[in-house]
Parts: sequence; C-alpha cells; structure tokens
Amino acid sequence: DADVTQTPRNRITKTGKRIMLECSQTKGHDRMYWYRQDPGLGLRLIYYSFDVKDINKGEISDGYSVSRQAQAKFSLSLESAIPNQTALYFCATSDTLAGDSYNEQFFGPGTRLTVL
Amino acid sequence: RKEVEQDPGPFNVPEGATVAFNCTYSNSASQSFFWYRQDCRKEPKLLMSVYSSGNEDGRFTAQLNRASQYISLLIRDSKLSDSATYLCVVNMLSGGYNKLIFGAGTRLAVHP
Repeated sequence: DADVTQTPRNRITKTGKRIMLECSQTKGHDRMYWYRQDPGLGLRLIYYSFDVKDINKGEISDGYSVSRQAQAKFSLSLESAIPNQTALYFCATSDTLAGDSYNEQFFGPGTRLTVL
Repeated sequence: RKEVEQDPGPFNVPEGATVAFNCTYSNSASQSFFWYRQDCRKEPKLLMSVYSSGNEDGRFTAQLNRASQYISLLIRDSKLSDSATYLCVVNMLSGGYNKLIFGAGTRLAVHP
C-alpha cells in the first residue's frame, strides 16, 4: 500500500467551482506539504503544515486554502477555480529530524486538475 | 533569475553512454542538496543527496561546488530504465524553516 495517497487522481472542473483535493499518509510524519507542478517550472510550494495546529503559506498560496484535519490528513481547496490553476498537484510529507538539516520529502502520486 | 536552474534537455543518449547534468543555485546560504528522479506522470522520488566531498551510489555520482554554486550528476553506463526527468533540489533556510527549492528538471531519454 502507498504511504502517501491523494484523491482524486484526475479531476476536470469548470471555472468558479469549489474543489477539494485530499491527501492521506501512513508514514507517521508530522510535516505535510502541497505543491503544484507546471510544465517548464519546478514544483512550487502552496502551503505547508508542521503539525495539526501549524499551517503556513508557501510561495503561491493565493486562491488556495488548506485544512489539516489530523496528523495523517491534509486537504487543499480551491475556493473558486480558475483556468490558470490547471496543473499537477502533489502532496508530500517529511519527518522532523534533529537540527532539521536533512529534509527528504515523500510525495503522493499527484492529482491532475484541469479547470475549463 | 530562477533560484535553481537546470538545462531542460532532453538529453538523448544510447544505452551504455555516460551523461552529466548540471545545476546552478543562486542562494549562497543554501545548506543541502539533492537529486530527485521523476518518471513520466509520476511523483518525484529522492535519488541521492549531494555532499561537499562528492558521493557515489553505483552508477551515479554527485558533486557539489559551493564556491561556484554548482551541482552535478553523472550517470555511467546508462540503462533504458534511467529515462526520466532529474530534478535538482536545494534545501535552504527561509522564513524560519528549511524548505526545498526545486529546479524544473532535466529530461533524459536513453535509447537502445
């Protein structure tokens, strides 16, 4: 079984609709992240959470919101989807290590979102 | 200027070839460095960390040059299964935590 799962895997929606992407993990990690990936660009961080009570904006949080329902669950919402939010979305997790000097992240399989 | 820059490729090489990818980063305060591999339509996965002294893992060798802010990945004896996109990733302190900055990736296609 996959350690990090995302649902749905593919979604086509229309402009203005509210969309929620869900992420679950069984790795027992405290830290969770949401990224988007666009052609020709590196992964860009949308939001991150270091524990259930800690939510932080990443570099491109406008138009998105998140909820950390439990240590294992982190969902991303698009309140009113627009076409330039068409992208591949990845959830990731990482452990909290002493000194925080090494930060391998484990990614879910991705959600391909198309906004028409 | 992008924080992490890579040649997008594609690099088309025959099986058995040696191929090298380069990456430059802009922030001299960057602390640690990685190469991730991403197969088509799949998630990125850690390939190897990059240490100042250089490190090797089988056919893969990673080098770091802090003075030039330059990272490299060398793949020897390329296999068809090496075909993928290779992401250069830099870990840097920003806003009070260590965050990963991803390059856009270099695509490798190994052919028979």
